[in-house]
Amino acid sequence: NAGVTQTPKFQVLKTGQSMTLQCAQDMNHEYMSWYRQDPGMGLRLIHYSVGAGITDQGEVPNGYNVSRSTTEDFPLRLLSAAPSQTSVYFCASSYSQAGASTDTQYFGPGTRLTVL
Amino acid sequence: SQKIEQNSEALNIQEGKTATLTCNYTNYSPAYLQWYRQDPGRGPVFLLLIRENEKEKRKERLKVTFDTTLKQSLFHITASQPADSATYLCALADNYGQNFVFGPGTRLSVLP
Repeated sequence: NAGVTQTPKFQVLKTGQSMTLQCAQDMNHEYMSWYRQDPGMGLRLIHYSVGAGITDQGEVPNGYNVSRSTTEDFPLRLLSAAPSQTSVYFCASSYSQAGASTDTQYFGPGTRLTVL
Repeated sequence: SQKIEQNSEALNIQEGKTATLTCNYTNYSPAYLQWYRQDPGRGPVFLLLIRENEKEKRKERLKVTFDTTLKQSLFHITASQPADSATYLCALADNYGQNFVFGPGTRLSVLP
């Protein structure tokens, strides 16, 4: 199993550009999520999905879109990048939601994004 | 407001000593709490989970305690080694039982 994979590893964008961060998992997990990690602020939830076709907003969703057409893939789209979106982005998956079981989350290696 | 705090941003200890990291939370009622390890440039990796009805959990050199009255979890690494140097994150389920909420992390450095 590859686990959770993310591409690209690094990306530099100019303000106003758009891009998609890719995330895939091969563990047949229903629950997937996107976090951003900034110094001193820990991991903050952007969007999450409890299964194919279902997505919802997390703590910091503004400026980001997601979709979940398959169980395996959960791409994150930045429609018009802003310097405030400079961060490290992590995708994670688990068998179910946090409260539904004691399942743990598996994280991808992250994407380091810089917006100039 | 809801908050998760980890006692210090950075902790330096001597090899062989016990490292103790603290996680405090406010206005959450978690059924369990998790600890993760994160190395530079990598995603977090799950270490231990402790439920609200468990006082203590052990795994090799790791020990976690959970005090729901104090709203606090302690994470101990005994006989610490330089390879234990990393950032340690605590996490719990939010009050809706939908998502994990993470603390800011403590960066542990074990000095040889």
